Amino acid sequence: GQQLNQSPQSMFIQEGEDVSMNCTSSSIFNTWLWYKQDPGEGPVLLIALYKAGELTSNGRLTAQFGITRKDSFLNISASIPSDVGIYFCAGFTGANSKLTFGKGITLSVRP
Amino acid sequence: GAGVSQSPSNKVTEKGKDVELRCDPISGHTALYWYRQSLGQGLEFLIYFQGNSAPDKSGLPSDRFSAERTGGSVSTLTIQRTQQEDSAVYLCASSLGLAGATTNYGYTFGSGTRLTVV
Repeated sequence: GQQLNQSPQSMFIQEGEDVSMNCTSSSIFNTWLWYKQDPGEGPVLLIALYKAGELTSNGRLTAQFGITRKDSFLNISASIPSDVGIYFCAGFTGANSKLTFGKGITLSVRP
Repeated sequence: GAGVSQSPSNKVTEKGKDVELRCDPISGHTALYWYRQSLGQGLEFLIYFQGNSAPDKSGLPSDRFSAERTGGSVSTLTIQRTQQEDSAVYLCASSLGLAGATTNYGYTFGSGTRLTVV
């Protein structure tokens, strides 16, 4: 089945630094999504990408839908302590397909 | 409601007992999903309801797990004869999920039910 690969499992950065997270697959996806999960909460949608090559920003977050449709990245600029959480990439392979999730990256931000 | 509501938020049960977890999806969302998240792990798909279609039960880990969705809205996930390995956060999500639609809609998650089997 389709799998989304996220690594490393954990990232540790200093407040104010930028961080980039990658998500890759051997399958083609037609929609990419990035979610963030705060402790004790469900994942919340950050950014949705619908076209290959699309670059979308949401505040300090920027995400891109890879040209090959097999990868996506999420950048967080000027990190702050509240950026701490688990970041999941997710994707749809086609209309009416179920959303496939990566295993997530746990981000820690040192003040 | 405005968001996906799950209850209870926390449940502690004794091994061997049955539990029911409830999910109220966003009004008008035709698709509803249950996921399980064990400590430090990703999201494990359990079951998917889409409108009046037969549910996709392909992720249920054993026959102790079942789910219903009544009237196309509220869903209940039931775990019978709970085991300690069932301890996890159970997340429900809903989406517009219109059959035949060409646009895929992201899922909106509830805050989850944290189940602890002692």
